[in-house]
Amino acid sequence: NAGVTQTPKFRVLKTGQSMTLLCAQDMNHEYMYWYRQDPGMGLRLIHYSVGEGTTAKGEVPDGYNVSRLKKQNFLLGLESAAPSQTSVYFCASSYHTNTEAFFGQGTRLTVV
Amino acid sequence: AQKVTQAQTEISVVEKEDVTLDCVYETRDTTYYLFWYKQPPSGELVFLIRRNSFDEQNEISGRYSWNFQKSTSSFNFTITASQVVDSAVYFCALSVPNTGFQKLVFGTGTRLLVSP
Repeated sequence: NAGVTQTPKFRVLKTGQSMTLLCAQDMNHEYMYWYRQDPGMGLRLIHYSVGEGTTAKGEVPDGYNVSRLKKQNFLLGLESAAPSQTSVYFCASSYHTNTEAFFGQGTRLTVV
Repeated sequence: AQKVTQAQTEISVVEKEDVTLDCVYETRDTTYYLFWYKQPPSGELVFLIRRNSFDEQNEISGRYSWNFQKSTSSFNFTITASQVVDSAVYFCALSVPNTGFQKLVFGTGTRLLVSP
């Protein structure tokens, strides 16, 4: 079982470049999340989705956009990357917020 | 507001010692769920336990145990007879599904270092 798959696993961007991180889940989960993990800050919620076609802002949404056109996919976009967006990004999905969340392997993004 | 506080940034113990990781949460809602996740050095996040707000019974799973106390808004995690393989970052998390706060919020994590 694939579970939650994130692509790419590593990426280096120059300031101002754009990119899209892809998250795919094969568990038919309604809820999907994008987090960023920084030293000493834990996991901070960027955006989340409670179902296909819906998205909502989390704690740190600035500089990011998301889309959930298909239930199984949740895309995170950076329109103009900044060094402050250097981080490890995790995607997660769950059947509901009161159930276990499954995480992808993470994407290590460096913006230079 | 919904918030999770893990005041212990890093804990170092020697193998076979018992260790407790603290988690304090904040929510005004009566229905909520608490979770613990483990992040080993390899980086993936592994689910450990889920507890709902109506079940205050302590839970034990092997060397792991959890103490949920609504009176102090705490959901502490104890590892008995720690092992080197327990070295990881541990996250406590909170969700409150019934109020539109349909998201999972994490604490800042506690790094546990178990030395031989």
